[in-house]
Amino acid sequence: NAGVTQTPKFRILKIGQSMTLQCTQDMNHNYMYWYRQDPGMGLKLIYYSVGAGITDKGEVPNGYNVSRSTTEDFPLRLELAAPSQTSVYFCASSYSFDGGENIQYFGAGTRLSVL
Amino acid sequence: AQTVTQSQPEMSVQEAETVTLSCTYDTSESDYYLFWYKQPPSRQMILVIRQEAYKQQNATENRFSVNFQKAAKSFSLKISDSQLGDAAMYFCAYRRGGGGADGLTFGKGTHLIIQP
Repeated sequence: NAGVTQTPKFRILKIGQSMTLQCTQDMNHNYMYWYRQDPGMGLKLIYYSVGAGITDKGEVPNGYNVSRSTTEDFPLRLELAAPSQTSVYFCASSYSFDGGENIQYFGAGTRLSVL
Repeated sequence: AQTVTQSQPEMSVQEAETVTLSCTYDTSESDYYLFWYKQPPSRQMILVIRQEAYKQQNATENRFSVNFQKAAKSFSLKISDSQLGDAAMYFCAYRRGGGGADGLTFGKGTHLIIQP
C-alpha cells in the first residue's frame, strides 16, 4: 500500500543546475498537487493537475514546470535552480467524483538545498 | 484571497492533559472545508480531522475534536488525554468547496510539545 511516493528524499543542487522531483501515486486519484514548505511556514501550492494532460498554476509557480502524461505520475521540474528554491517539496493526490470534498494524501517530501 | 492564521507558534502540555490549538481564517466563501494536519519529525503530513462548513456539528475523531465557530471564522483543535506521540507540528488548512481541484491554504503551524 504505497500511496504517494516521492523521490529523491534529499538532494543538493548547485545554482543553475536542473533536476526533476518525481511523484507517483497508486490510488488512481485524478487530482495531484505540488507544494513547497519553507522553514517555519505552512505549505504553499506550486502547481496542480486535475487529470492527465491538464495542469494549472498555484500560488508560487515561478521557476517550476510540471507535466502530467499519466494518471499516476506528476513530476516537478526545476530548470535553473536558485537558492530561493531551497525548501521541502511535497506531492499530494486526491480523488473527487462529484465535485465534493476531496481529501489530499501527501508523500513524505523531498528536502532540496540549492548552494 | 483566503488566509489562515495560527497565533500560537508553540504550545506545551503535560502528558494526559488537554490542550487546545487555535486557528482563525478569512474567506468570503460560504462553502468550504477545514482541516487539521499533523507533521511529526518524519515530515509526513497526516490528516487529523476535517470539518465541512455546512455542518453545524463539530467533528470528532477519538481524542481529537474541533470547536468550529463559523460566524467567528474560528476552528480550534482540542486534544484530550495528550500522549507523547502527539508531539508534532500541527497545521490548520482551508479549502474552498464547490468542487474543483483547489489546493489547500495552510497556516504557519503550531509546534506542540508534550511534557512527560
